[in-house]
Amino acid sequence: AQSVAQPEDQVNVAEGNPLTVKCTYSVSGNPYLFWYVQYPNRGLQFLLKYITGDNLVKGSYGFEAEFNKSQTSFHLKKPSALVSDSALYFCAVRDRSGGYNKLIFGAGTRLAVHP
Amino acid sequence: DTGVSQDPRHKITKRGQNVTFRCDPISEHNRLYWYRQTLGQGPEFLTYFQNEAQLEKSRLLSDRFSAERPKGSFSTLEIQRTEQGDSAMYLCASSLPFSVGEETQYFGPGTRLLVL
Repeated sequence: AQSVAQPEDQVNVAEGNPLTVKCTYSVSGNPYLFWYVQYPNRGLQFLLKYITGDNLVKGSYGFEAEFNKSQTSFHLKKPSALVSDSALYFCAVRDRSGGYNKLIFGAGTRLAVHP
Repeated sequence: DTGVSQDPRHKITKRGQNVTFRCDPISEHNRLYWYRQTLGQGPEFLTYFQNEAQLEKSRLLSDRFSAERPKGSFSTLEIQRTEQGDSAMYLCASSLPFSVGEETQYFGPGTRLLVL
């Protein structure tokens, strides 16, 4: 069965420091991987995705993520955090072998960036 | 704004009442999805449409839930005889027809349901 794990409920970072939000996945085939961000009482905003090719993908707002097949991980990173990055972050996976592209989400990680 | 829209944004209802939510996808997107998100959890897949055809339903979608997309454009999600456990955020997403690089689902703002 497909699954996504986000091992940290909350990540605290000082503004200007690098941030990492962790994600590991389990699928039977090759994955499509996504990161979304959710601000309070809002829907999910797409940040970035890995489909194929370069393991380092760049997305919106200076975020990037590294696909590591051997570790089945897709950690989200940003070199310098902003207070405005504080939000709820979700990792999601779709198994390519599936006929349709429903997404399986992790439970989310709350990122708190302190001034 | 050409994003996914959902109506209403908030709904408070009494247990046992029926509610209906609407989703308008991005205009050129033929794929539409419904998800449910409860507090402290990630979204969970409910159902999927390609054009007007409902192609996949989750086991979460009990017989009290029904979704339609009659003309392949907007979709409705109806919950009959609501229960307190139905309280959640209901999210709609849409995506382009499948091809390489077009796997991204774009989400609407959600409808937050509270069942008293």
